[in-house]
Formats: sequence, C-alpha cells, structure tokens
Amino acid sequence: GQNIDQPTEMTATEGAIVQINCTYQTSGFNGLFWYQQHAGEAPTFLSYNVLDGLEEKGRFSSFLSRSKGYSYLLLKELQMKDSASYLCAVRWSNYQLIWGAGTKLIIKP
Amino acid sequence: GAGVSQSPSNKVTEKGKDVELRCDPISGHTALYWYRQSLGQGLEFLIYFQGNSAPDKSGLPSDRFSAERTGGSVSTLTIQRTQQEDSAVYLCASSSGEGLDTQYFGPGTRLTVL
Repeated sequence: GQNIDQPTEMTATEGAIVQINCTYQTSGFNGLFWYQQHAGEAPTFLSYNVLDGLEEKGRFSSFLSRSKGYSYLLLKELQMKDSASYLCAVRWSNYQLIWGAGTKLIIKP
Repeated sequence: GAGVSQSPSNKVTEKGKDVELRCDPISGHTALYWYRQSLGQGLEFLIYFQGNSAPDKSGLPSDRFSAERTGGSVSTLTIQRTQQEDSAVYLCASSSGEGLDTQYFGPGTRLTVL
C-alpha cells in the first residue's frame, strides 16, 4: 500500500525554528512537494525535491532522503502568518500525487 | 494573471439531490485534477484530465460521481443522489502538464449534504 505520515499538529514560538517531518512509502517516486494551506483557503506550493539534499528558499527549506523515505520542511524566523497546515505530497506516477493529512502549525507569540 | 476559480464557494443541499461543481483552470494549463478534502484526511484524488486524452477516473468513489471537461478548459464535477458522506471540500487544481508540473489550486467548494 501507499502511505504518507506527518504529525497532526505542532506548536512553536514566534521567531523560532520548527521542523515538520514527513515519511512516505509509495510504489513509485517522481518528487516530493510541500504545500501550505491556511484555514479555508487553497493549498499553495512551497517547495519541490526530487534529489537528495536540502533546497533552501528564503525562510523555508526542504530536505529529502529517498533511501529513508523521509523529508522535512524547516521554517525559520517564524511569523504569526506562518500559522497554517503544511501538506506533504509524493508524486508516485507521471501525474498522480498521494497526500499526507497535513500538519497544523500553531505559532504562539 | 487569473488563478484557478471554482464555483460555488459553498453549497448546501438535501440528501438525494444532484449537485454540479465548476472549475475554471488557469488559461493554457492542459492538466486538471479534482480532489476531495475531508477533515483530518489527506487530499483524496478523484479524477485527472490531460489534454485530449481519456481521463483517469480511478479515484471516483462511486458511479454517482462523474466529471467532464469541455473544450480542454472548464470542468464540471457532478454528484448524483448526494449522501451525507459526500460532505467535504472539493478542490480543483490545474497544471501545465510539463516540467515541474506544479499543481495550482482553486479555493474549493464546501459541500454540505443535510
């Protein structure tokens, strides 16, 4: 079967750093995506990893280890507007993605 | 440029009625996806359209669900004889169909079946 796991909820403090983990088991692998979804809004694209290693984009970084079936999203200098759900998704075919249930991130002042 | 749009944003219906949900993808995007998002669960794939190819309907949960894409652009998801378990947010996404092929999502339609 195919499976993606990520924590249901995390809490962090404004200005701090948080790491959201994602583990996956899929029949194929053609890249891993992270999306951000604010409550009641559409998911928006954050990052894409297809090779092992770290991709940095401003305050956000994403890491991938294909051999371990593992990724994380690192958010630095947290701001209140970062309060949202973060969705991990793996493209397991040419076009199909399997999605995690999302990690709700709560930022406290 | 305009993003993906969906209508209606909210739909409340009675059990047993039919509903139609509309999606307008980003202009020029050849790929279009429908997903269902229920509380506490990952996005559930429903159907995929790519250009003039036959759609991938493998995610449709029952024969009460169907979708069309006219002229390679607008898509309509139809749910017949709605049931309470159909209550969810229905999201549409489009992509260029090439390269990174990032999916861009519409705001969704929140369907409530009473």
